Amino acid sequence: SQTIHQWPATLVQPVGSPLSLECTVEGTSNPNLYWYRQAAGRGLQLLFYSVGIGQISSEVPQNLSASRPQDRQFILSSKKLLLSDSGFYLCAWEEGQANTGELFFGEGSRLTVL
Amino acid sequence: KNQVEQSPQSLIILEGKNCTLQCNYTVSPFSNLRWYKQDTGRGPVSLTIMTFSENTKSNGRYTATLDADTKQSSLHITASQLSDSASYICVVSAGDSWGKLQFGAGTQVVVTP
Repeated sequence: SQTIHQWPATLVQPVGSPLSLECTVEGTSNPNLYWYRQAAGRGLQLLFYSVGIGQISSEVPQNLSASRPQDRQFILSSKKLLLSDSGFYLCAWEEGQANTGELFFGEGSRLTVL
Repeated sequence: KNQVEQSPQSLIILEGKNCTLQCNYTVSPFSNLRWYKQDTGRGPVSLTIMTFSENTKSNGRYTATLDADTKQSSLHITASQLSDSASYICVVSAGDSWGKLQFGAGTQVVVTP
C-alpha cells in the first residue's frame, strides 16, 4: 500500500533562518506531488506541484522554493523565513497522469516563525 | 473571489443528530467534486469523489450529493458521532486546469455529547 511521510511535524524558527520540509511517498512510482499551505479559516493554497524529477511548477511567487531530487521525494525550502511564512504545510500525492484521481495528504507540518 | 464557497462556517450538533453541509462552486469547466475530512492538526482524508454524471455517493454515514446544473453539493452526516468533529472541505477540480484544485475554506463541525 502507498504511504506518505512528511516531517518535521512542528517547527519553530526565527525570522531570517532557513527552512527545509521533506515529504516522501512509498508504494508508487512517478506520482504527482504537491505542496499546499493552509491558513486558519482559509482554503488550502497550492504552492508547488511536480510531475517528475526536477520538474517544479510554482503557483504563488514568494520566498519559498521546492525541489524533487528523487521520484518520490519532494522538498520545500526557504533561504530566509518571513513572519508571513507561518502556517500549516501539507504535502500531497496522486497517481501520475491522473488529474481526476484521489489526492492523498501527509500529516502536515506546523511552522511558526518568530 | 473564491470559486468554492462553503456554509455554514461552523456548526455544533448533538451526538446522534444529523447535519448537512453545503458547497457552492463556480469552477468551470467542471471535472469532479470531492469532500475531505480534516481532523485538527492532521492532513485531509478523502470521503467522496463525484464526477459530473454522479448525483449522490455514500461512504458509511456520509452521503454527498451533487447538482451540476446549479453547481451545488451537500454532505450529509447521519447519526453523528464524537469522532465526526472535524473540518469538512469541499474541493472542486476544473477540467482544464491540471493540478489546480479549488478548495473551500471548510465547515468546522463540533459534535457534543
